[in-house]
Amino acid sequence: AQRVTQPEKLLSVFKGAPVELKCNYSYSGSPELFWYVQYSRQRLQLLLRHISRESIKGFTADLNKGETSFHLKKPFAQEEDSAMYYCALSGSGYGQNFVFGPGTRLSVLP
Amino acid sequence: DVKVTQSSRYLVKRTGEKVFLECVQDMDHENMFWYRQDPGLGLRLIYFSYDVKMKEKGDIPEGYSVSREKKERFSLILESASTNQTSMYLCASLNRDTTEAFFGQGTRLTVV
Repeated sequence: AQRVTQPEKLLSVFKGAPVELKCNYSYSGSPELFWYVQYSRQRLQLLLRHISRESIKGFTADLNKGETSFHLKKPFAQEEDSAMYYCALSGSGYGQNFVFGPGTRLSVLP
Repeated sequence: DVKVTQSSRYLVKRTGEKVFLECVQDMDHENMFWYRQDPGLGLRLIYFSYDVKMKEKGDIPEGYSVSREKKERFSLILESASTNQTSMYLCASLNRDTTEAFFGQGTRLTVV
């Protein structure tokens, strides 16, 4: 079964501080992992995915298959990063499912 | 450039009513999903569809059904609405090539 966990419901950091949002998953095959973000009063949108290995808005995430983790990191948090962050997993195959974690609310304080 | 559109932003329905939530996408995606979003629980998958007339149960299908008669439209049906179905409902469609999901703006349903 696919499962995504995010241990922190709320994470508060000061502007300029490093931030790490934790994500762990369980999946028997080879998953694709994503981070989605929802800013206040906006739609949920893709932030980044592990297969592209890109940095978006200063955020990066590395897939660690040994620890089944996909933590989201940013070295210097900005106030505009305050949002709800969801880690998501997509299974392989034709009828691919798409499962989300419970989310972490990031609050960046001035 | 709205790509996924849900028919209503807000709905108020009475207990026992049959409720239809509509979702339309214009990206020709095969995969579409219905989630409910609740504080502390995140997004929970209700149903998904990977082709016309095909559907699969998600994690919480009880009390819901879906319909996919056309590729662009995926409907969520509450056969007999109950107060515990008060929630934010999100529709999404998935680009299989990029595996990026696009979300609608959400429908906040209140069952009284």
